[in-house]
Amino acid sequence: EVQLLESGGGLVQPGGSLRLSCATSGFTFTTYAMTWVRQAPGKGLEWVSVISAGGGTTYYADSVKGRFTISRDNSKNTLYLQMNSLRVEDTAVYYCAKDRERLVGASEYWGQGTLVTVPS
Amino acid sequence: EIVLTQSPGTLSLSPGEGDTLSCRASQSVSNNYLAWYQHKSGQAPRLLIYGASSRAPGIPDRFSGSGSGTDFTLTINRLEPEDFAVYYCQQYGSSPRTFGQGTKVEIK
Repeated sequence: EVQLLESGGGLVQPGGSLRLSCATSGFTFTTYAMTWVRQAPGKGLEWVSVISAGGGTTYYADSVKGRFTISRDNSKNTLYLQMNSLRVEDTAVYYCAKDRERLVGASEYWGQGTLVTVPS
Repeated sequence: EIVLTQSPGTLSLSPGEGDTLSCRASQSVSNNYLAWYQHKSGQAPRLLIYGASSRAPGIPDRFSGSGSGTDFTLTINRLEPEDFAVYYCQQYGSSPRTFGQGTKVEIK
């Protein structure tokens, strides 16, 4: 059974940093791209970032480019999102997801999410 | 960036009814890499359709996707109580990947 468990969310002041983790199990982690998606309170889903299966290719939403870094540790089956220079508008539930392919694929399994709050 | 526009914003239906949700892209979606997700409050999103028309494993056949280029649809037949949720389309063929703003399917 595929499982994804996010952790690391919490309350952080504007300008601060936070690192999210996504521990995975139930599939061959090294074979699939992984994605972060967020949902701000009362808003829709917003794609944040994707990393290829091997970790060599990454893409970011313009809203987080230069502030967030996606990475993965294939030896630990874990995905990360390093978030720096956090803003009030980064407040959201952050979901990690397993994609269907090595780079370009829909997100077929999702975690339950972790809440990041950046107060005004 | 490809902008996805979903319509309608809200759909009011009764259990057993069906309808079609629309997703229009501001430019052609590469390889028709268009997905549909179902999302209920407090839960993880669920992949329904990928590649515009392929049903994800375990998804009932009352959900079907179609379309190509810039116009895509999700059809839900014979609504079950558990189908009332928000539905999002997403293009994943080019970066940045983008979601539509969602269509809420509510109980009439």
